[in-house]
Amino acid sequence: AQKVTQAQTEISVVEKEDVTLDCVYETRDTTYYLFWYKQPPSGELVFLIRRNSFDEQNEISGRYSWNFQKSTSSFNFTITASQVVDSAVYFCALREETSGSRLTFGEGTQLTVNP
Amino acid sequence: GAGVSQSPSNKVTEKGKDVELRCDPISGHTALYWYRQSLGQGLEFLIYFQGNSAPDKSGLPSDRFSAERTGGSVSTLTIQRTQQEDSAVYLCASSLVSGRVGDTQYFGPGTRLTVL
Repeated sequence: AQKVTQAQTEISVVEKEDVTLDCVYETRDTTYYLFWYKQPPSGELVFLIRRNSFDEQNEISGRYSWNFQKSTSSFNFTITASQVVDSAVYFCALREETSGSRLTFGEGTQLTVNP
Repeated sequence: GAGVSQSPSNKVTEKGKDVELRCDPISGHTALYWYRQSLGQGLEFLIYFQGNSAPDKSGLPSDRFSAERTGGSVSTLTIQRTQQEDSAVYLCASSLVSGRVGDTQYFGPGTRLTVL
């Protein structure tokens, strides 16, 4: 079973639009962590945020915000007033207490922000 | 400080040859991870080193793949008798404290391997 699902394969928006990237996860663990990474065209995975399973408080960092809802097993990522530099592939990832060290990634969402 | 570094950045090899990929983690990070990113399989875990403990090799796809970590720092991923399906980007990551579920993994730029 897919543990992390990013249903949106590609999203294209015009600069200054808001965009939300969806992430749905599946786990039986009570302790787990969720992550978002950005992969720009250069290829390097850049860490954006980490959220633990006991903290459902939403977080805002500049134009970025994250909505964690355990009731729907979702950890969605919103970019406000998108910019061309936001164009990248975005990955959601899960790390479960019972799965040891590994990160389980979703398939990624390719975001293209057009000028 | 310096991030995770990997070398080479690109490697082209012929089918059947052996290749070695190198990863230098962030200084002070005790945990090191290898992942593979390919078109068909997405991002998948390969192996994890935690201090002096035996590595978690559960993600290695075959016995042609092996990795070692010398002196708790630099790691080498070796692929023997390469096959075309081994073509992928190999990513290395490190984290500060080994064994903690919540530790953030920081990734290197990757090595793009092409097997002809």
